[in-house]
Amino acid sequence: NAGVTQTPKFQVLKTGQSMTLQCAQDMNHEYMSWYRQDPGMGLRLIHYSVGAGITDQGEVPNGYNVSRSTTEDFPLRLLSAAPSQTSVYFCASSYASGTRDTQYFGPGTRLTVL
Amino acid sequence: SQQGEEDPQALSIQEGENATMNCSYKTSINNLQWYRQNSGRGLVHLILIRSNEREKHSGRLRVTLDTSKKSSSLLITASRAADTASYFCAPRHGTYKYIFGTGTRLKVLA
Repeated sequence: NAGVTQTPKFQVLKTGQSMTLQCAQDMNHEYMSWYRQDPGMGLRLIHYSVGAGITDQGEVPNGYNVSRSTTEDFPLRLLSAAPSQTSVYFCASSYASGTRDTQYFGPGTRLTVL
Repeated sequence: SQQGEEDPQALSIQEGENATMNCSYKTSINNLQWYRQNSGRGLVHLILIRSNEREKHSGRLRVTLDTSKKSSSLLITASRAADTASYFCAPRHGTYKYIFGTGTRLKVLA
């Protein structure tokens, strides 16, 4: 299994540009989520999904959109990039069952918005 | 807030010593998980303790849970330089949201 994969690893955008961060998992996990981590800080939940077609907002959803058309993929869209969105973005997945709900994280995407 | 709050924020110890970090939370939980993050990388799951458990061991890790005090502790025994990382707790409150705190930055000096 490849686990959780994220692309790209690095990205530089100009203010106002849009882009999509890709996340995929091959473990048949129902639950997927996106976090951002600013320097020296913890992870803040952006959006999450408990299955295909079901998404919900986390702590910091503004400026981001998600969709979940398949179990495997959970892309994160930045609608109009702002310097405040400069961060490292992590995708994670897990089973939704309470007995197997440990999260697996991807390697992260480092985004800089100029 | 549903997040866990880790304490201390930073900890520096000598190799071979034990490291203890704490986590407090505010509302009742289904389980509580501890994760480690090496610099700039994704989090790695360490251990999960359920609300009806009081103590759990995994190798050099020992986790305790006190639901009456809404707190948990992670003990790393005989620490090594490779244990240098940030450690996060994630209380699971029965929703599908995993909310992380700001973590404890552990530095183990050789």
